[in-house]
Amino acid sequence: AQKITQTQPGMFVQEKEAVTLDCTYDTSDQSYGLFWYKQPSSGEMIFLIYQGSYDEQNATEGRYSLNFQKARKSANLVISASQLGDSAMYFCAMREGSGGSNYKLTFGKGTLLTVNP
Amino acid sequence: KAGVTQTPRYLIKTRGQQVTLSCSPISGHRSVSWYQQTPGQGLQFLFEYFSETQRNKGNFPGRFSGRQFSNSRSEMNVSTLELGDSALYLCASSFDSLYNEQFFGPGTRLTVL
Repeated sequence: AQKITQTQPGMFVQEKEAVTLDCTYDTSDQSYGLFWYKQPSSGEMIFLIYQGSYDEQNATEGRYSLNFQKARKSANLVISASQLGDSAMYFCAMREGSGGSNYKLTFGKGTLLTVNP
Repeated sequence: KAGVTQTPRYLIKTRGQQVTLSCSPISGHRSVSWYQQTPGQGLQFLFEYFSETQRNKGNFPGRFSGRQFSNSRSEMNVSTLELGDSALYLCASSFDSLYNEQFFGPGTRLTVL
């Protein structure tokens, strides 16, 4: 089974509107971290936001917020007031806390977001 | 504060050759991880180093190897290159904690002809 599932290969949004990118995860660990990264066409991975498994409040970073629903194992990224510069590939990733696997990120396949003017 | 740097940025090699990629982490970061990104397989974990020790390794053949130096700089080596090794190789550094983000470098784009 995939650890991280991003079901939306591509998404379109109008400039200044909000958009939600979906991410579900699979883990049996109690301790884990969830991350979102943005990858523009230049290739560099840009960290956006982090949510810890024990965090009770949803993480927010400027226009980015993470809708964390632990029981459903989902960690959706919400981008408010989309800008043309938000057009990029977005990756959801998880770092688990058990055994020897806690030093790597497992990534989803990504969602290509296109912001239309 | 300088970010993660990777050299070279672009590389073209032929099958059978070997290649060495370099990564300098953010100052103070002692954990360095390597990832391979291809259109077909996406982002895959190669290995992670901390204090010159490999702590975790992904599911890659032995042709892929790495090391970390005392200043936390890391290198990865790929021997006997195959066409399928063409990819973007990303290096990431972080503090040694489950809850800290990994900061990525710009990547090295390797093309194997």
